[in-house]
Formats: sequence, structure tokens, C-alpha cells
Amino acid sequence: KNQVEQSPQSLIILEGKNCTLQCNYTVSPFSNLRWYKQDTGRGPVSLTIMTFSENTKSNGRYTATLDADTKQSSLHITASQLSDSASYICVVTSDQAGTALIFGKGTTLSVSS
Amino acid sequence: GAVVSQHPSRVICKSGTSVKIECRSLDFQATTMFWYRQFPKQSLMLMATSNEGSKATYEQGVEKDKFLINHASLTLSTLTVTSAHPEDSSFYICSAKRLAGDRTDTQYFGPGTRLTVL
Repeated sequence: KNQVEQSPQSLIILEGKNCTLQCNYTVSPFSNLRWYKQDTGRGPVSLTIMTFSENTKSNGRYTATLDADTKQSSLHITASQLSDSASYICVVTSDQAGTALIFGKGTTLSVSS
Repeated sequence: GAVVSQHPSRVICKSGTSVKIECRSLDFQATTMFWYRQFPKQSLMLMATSNEGSKATYEQGVEKDKFLINHASLTLSTLTVTSAHPEDSSFYICSAKRLAGDRTDTQYFGPGTRLTVL
């Protein structure tokens, strides 16, 4: 069964600190893996996308890694800001057309001052 | 580019009434649009896939007669929740894929519609 598991379920950090979110997946076939940021009451916004051959991808203070052998990905957030408070969702696409998305439940990040 | 809008953003209705939610791709043409439902602290669940000019494909367990989908043009899809009940209260999110251009495999998500059925 295709599954995407994320950890931790929730996380609270102080402003300015770094954090790392984890994503493990059992999806086959594999096309790409994306990390999304979803603010409360809003739709998901794409942060990074990685294909099988890519190990790391950065987008500003967000850096995603992918280990296709162990089927693990991480999202590292550097120098967190209050506006980083959101749910971060790991999504694996299993088809080339991009129609079959498997969503993780997300990690809820709270950044406090 | 690749902006998807939804209207309304929030709706409250009485049990038994029908509610229509619109999803529009504002700056691109979409071959396919998707409708998702998200309950609190849960992941997005795909309800149906719609292609312009053809019938929607519903996921297992989703009642097609209750959730009517119309995809009348390459920029507009509508979801109508018929005879809504409190258990239909949820966050409904649409997404759209480009007809052509870069990354036609990408789904661009709308901002969501919060439906509350009293």
C-alpha cells in the first residue's frame, strides 16, 4: 500500500532556531517528492520538488533532501520566523502525469517568540 | 503564474440545502482539475478528477450524486454539495494542472473553501 509517513506530528520551536522535519514513504512507482507549506485555512503551496536523481533542493531558508534508496526525505528550516508557523506536507507523486498524489498528514510547526 | 482561485472562501448553510463551490485557474488553461476534502488534522483526500467536457471520475466511497462536478471550460470547475448534512462540513480544496508549458505534471492548489453545515 502506498503510504507517506511524517514525523513529528507537531513541533514547537523558538524564533531563530532551526528544525528538521522527516518524511518516509512507501510509494511505487515513484515520480517525484514535494514539500508543501499549508497555512491554516489555506491551500498548500509548493516549497520544493525532487525527482529520483536529486539529493537536495533549496528554496531560501528551506532545504529538502531525498534518499531514494531508503525512501526518506527531510525538510530543514533555517533561522525560523514566526511566519513559518504552518503545516508542512510531504507529497509523493507516483505517476509521470502528476495525477496520483499520495499525501502525508503533515507536521504542524509552531514558531514562538 | 499558475494561480488557482476558489469561491466562496467560506460558506455556512443549513442542513438539506445545496452549496456550489467554484474553482478557477486564473492565468492558465487546465486540462484536469481535482477536488480534495480535508478534515481537521488529516491529509488531503482526493474526491474526484475532472477533465474539461467529460464526466468526472470519482474515488471509491465518494457519492457522485451527492458531489456533483461540472467542468464546463478549461478554466472553471464547480463542485456542488447536494442536500448537505453536518458530516459534509469540511475544507474543500481544488487543484488544476496546466494544459501546456513547463511542469504539466504539477497540480496547483486553490486556497480552499471552508464549508460548515448547521
